[in-house]
Amino acid sequence: GQSLEQPSEVTAVEGAIVQINCTYQTSGFYGLSWYQQHDGGAPTFLSYNALDGLEETGRFSSFLSRSDSYGYLLLQELQMKDSASYFCAVNIPYNNNDMRFGAGTRLTVKP
Amino acid sequence: NAGVMQNPRHLVRRRGQEARLRCSPMKGHSHVYWYRQLPEEGLKFMVYLQKENIIDESGMPKERFSAEFPKEGPSILRIQQVVRGDSAAYFCASSPSVDSGETQYFGPGTRLLVL
Repeated sequence: GQSLEQPSEVTAVEGAIVQINCTYQTSGFYGLSWYQQHDGGAPTFLSYNALDGLEETGRFSSFLSRSDSYGYLLLQELQMKDSASYFCAVNIPYNNNDMRFGAGTRLTVKP
Repeated sequence: NAGVMQNPRHLVRRRGQEARLRCSPMKGHSHVYWYRQLPEEGLKFMVYLQKENIIDESGMPKERFSAEFPKEGPSILRIQQVVRGDSAAYFCASSPSVDSGETQYFGPGTRLLVL
């Protein structure tokens, strides 16, 4: 089976940097994905790490350490519109696209 | 290229009725995934299907729930004899035929309310 742990809530101010951690336990692992979901909306893909290290996409970066079963999502220059829930998900065998999600971290950005 | 489509967007059923949720994957995608999300909670995996095959249904309750993805037409998640605890948002996602290893594309979801 799989289990993922991430903080339930994070609060930060506009312009700040926030890091959302994710630790996982899984019997099979291909990579770690991150999704964003605004209230009432659908999850949208943010990033994916298959190898150790940092992946940067604009204001968002994601990091993976396979040996530590750990990753994080880094959001820089926070904006009010970044207030949303962020989910980490492990890509598992069957094929690379099969995933299991964490419970999500609710990020609130304050002025 | 149209995204993943789900209908209906909202569905109200009385206890004991049947709910049918439809999902049309993105063009060219042959892998479909169904998730359930309760308010303020994460996405719970239910079932993973390829055309005409159920690959992994480990997250789907054994009773009352079934899913299919026929050769032609949308994927269907069927809930028989609904109960109030079935009230949730049900999301469908699709991914390409080849192993991209990166992305599932989500539909807008169906909000099921059982009265």
